[in-house]
Amino acid sequence: EVQLVQSGAEVKKPGESLKISCKPSGYRFTNYWIGWVRQMPGKGLEWMGIIYPDDSDTRYSSSFQGQVTISADRSIGTAYLQWNSLKASDTAMYYCARLSYADSFFDYWGQGTLVTVSS
Amino acid sequence: SFELTQPPSVSVSPGQTARITCSGDELPKQYAHWYQQKPGQAPVLVIFKDSERPSGIPERFSGSSSGTTVTLTISGVQAEDEADYYCQSGDTIRTYWVFGGGTKLTVL
Repeated sequence: EVQLVQSGAEVKKPGESLKISCKPSGYRFTNYWIGWVRQMPGKGLEWMGIIYPDDSDTRYSSSFQGQVTISADRSIGTAYLQWNSLKASDTAMYYCARLSYADSFFDYWGQGTLVTVSS
Repeated sequence: SFELTQPPSVSVSPGQTARITCSGDELPKQYAHWYQQKPGQAPVLVIFKDSERPSGIPERFSGSSSGTTVTLTISGVQAEDEADYYCQSGDTIRTYWVFGGGTKLTVL
């Protein structure tokens, strides 16, 4: 059974750094792209970027380029989403999802990580 | 860029048919996919490649495509189908993925 398990909720202050994780199981980690999706409170889904864990090839949405860093550690089968300096506007639920690249859909999703940034 | 447009809301009575549309200029060239999201839960894929249904998704969910519009159809709507529905598409050459704004389905 394919599962993506994300790290727990975080409460941070503006300017702090943060790295959240996504650990898939039930398939070969290096064979599928992983994507990250943001959902701000009461709003829709926004694609942030994707990574191919086998070689860490990474692509970003223009809206998020330079704002976050997506990475993966193939040795422990985990993908990450990272901020160097959080803003209040980063408050959102963040989902990781497995991407079926050739057909461009996300077939399995993590449970989400709620990030709250508040002074 | 590539945009997908959905109606903000659709309402139907139980047992009726709900149709949710998604429009985008690139849809004749790219597949569309649909996700269901219930409150407090992660999205779930309900239709992929315009009209294919993942295993475990009820047969009452179907998808179709015509020109620049794709449609998610839910036949015999049940109360449990009340949720937000998002269309999504992607361009693997330009490496760009996009979601529609979402449609709230209300079962009256």
